[in-house]
Amino acid sequence: NAGVMQNPRHLVRRRGQEARLRCSPMKGHSHVYWYRQLPEEGLKFMVYLQKENIIDESGMPKERFSAEFPKEGPSILRIQQVVRGDSAAYFCASSSSSGYTFGSGTRLTVV
Amino acid sequence: QQQVKQSPQSLIVQKGGIPIINCAYENTAFDYFPWYQQFPGKGPALLIAIRPDVSEKKEGRFTISFNKSAKQFSLHIMDSQPGDSATYFCAARTNAGGTSYGKLTFGQGTILTVHP
Repeated sequence: NAGVMQNPRHLVRRRGQEARLRCSPMKGHSHVYWYRQLPEEGLKFMVYLQKENIIDESGMPKERFSAEFPKEGPSILRIQQVVRGDSAAYFCASSSSSGYTFGSGTRLTVV
Repeated sequence: QQQVKQSPQSLIVQKGGIPIINCAYENTAFDYFPWYQQFPGKGPALLIAIRPDVSEKKEGRFTISFNKSAKQFSLHIMDSQPGDSATYFCAARTNAGGTSYGKLTFGQGTILTVHP
């Protein structure tokens, strides 16, 4: 069991480019969550997805951010037209009915 | 209503000391309170968790104390070691029917340093 896999580990984008962050949940987990962590801050919830459905997106910025969890393949967090304020660590977690596990994160730097 | 407030922001103790980290919440719908440990460059890892029907839970050197009426809970690390140096986060989640589903609301984190 490889745990929650996130890639890439580090991503550098220029202002205005698109960032795509991927998350493969643990085997047997069908629920995925994305969190954002700014430097020296706690994790902030962004979005909660189940296969092909968004359950809760109350933490997602209204513009430029989107997330999906297709029937096949990883969950994707997509940030369009990135700005410097998007620089952060983005963590994915997955859960079953009895477990909740975080990945090691993707560190996005916008230059 | 969704906030979880954590203190202190940083904490330095000597090896063998007992650091205590405190959290307070507002939302009475929260019914699951985990603590996470995070090392630099890594994701948070579950350390210990408690539900509000008990006032204390102990696992190894880690103890959670829970005060439902005050809406506060705390983490105690007994006989702290340099390897415990990390960032600690409290969190809370609303009722998920006893399952592990649902979003977590995190505190701001405490950077713990344990000197040898």
